[in-house]
Amino acid sequence: EDKVVQSPLSLVVHEGDTVTLNCSYEVTNFRSLLWYKQEKKAPTFLFMLTSSGIEKKSGRLSSILDKKELFSILNITATQTGDSAIYLCAVVPLYGGSQGNLIFGKGTKLSVKP
Amino acid sequence: NAGVTQTPKFQVLKTGQSMTLQCAQDMNHNSMYWYRQDPGMGLRLIYYSASEGTTDKGEVPNGYNVSRLNKREFSLRLESAAPSQTSVYFCASRPPQGRYGYTFGSGTRLTVV
Repeated sequence: EDKVVQSPLSLVVHEGDTVTLNCSYEVTNFRSLLWYKQEKKAPTFLFMLTSSGIEKKSGRLSSILDKKELFSILNITATQTGDSAIYLCAVVPLYGGSQGNLIFGKGTKLSVKP
Repeated sequence: NAGVTQTPKFQVLKTGQSMTLQCAQDMNHNSMYWYRQDPGMGLRLIYYSASEGTTDKGEVPNGYNVSRLNKREFSLRLESAAPSQTSVYFCASRPPQGRYGYTFGSGTRLTVV
């Protein structure tokens, strides 16, 4: 059965800290991996990773994929209270008829204290 | 603004009542999805529609039905609500080839008492 596992499930840090969120997956015929940030409402798209070893970066956030070891990490440097959210990892498998459905992990709840 | 619009935002139902959650997107996406989100469970797929006129079951379809009315609209119906269906429901749509990730609606918080 395809699955996505995120760790840790929750994390509390102080402003200025650097955090690393983990996502491992067991998915047949992997296509791509996506990271989302969810604050109070809908998840918002952060990154999509398809190729191994290529870092995606946006401001203080960055992410990289390792297709050999089947995991991805999301790094946040110099954290701010506005980074407090649930971070979701999702994988898109590539099998016939799935139409690219996302398989989500349970998320990591990040709390950044001032 | 372009995006995915869900209605209603909040709803309280009594056990056994029925209701329909509405979803519309104006991005000309072919694929649309309904997810539910429960604490500690992440997002789980209820139903999806790859294109107008087609629907398929996801991970947790029991107790739900869907209709892809046209390319823009994808509705989720609870025929006889149960307390186990208390959840936050998200509709999403996907661009062709999944280039930019899914776009989610703002969610419907449903409580069944």
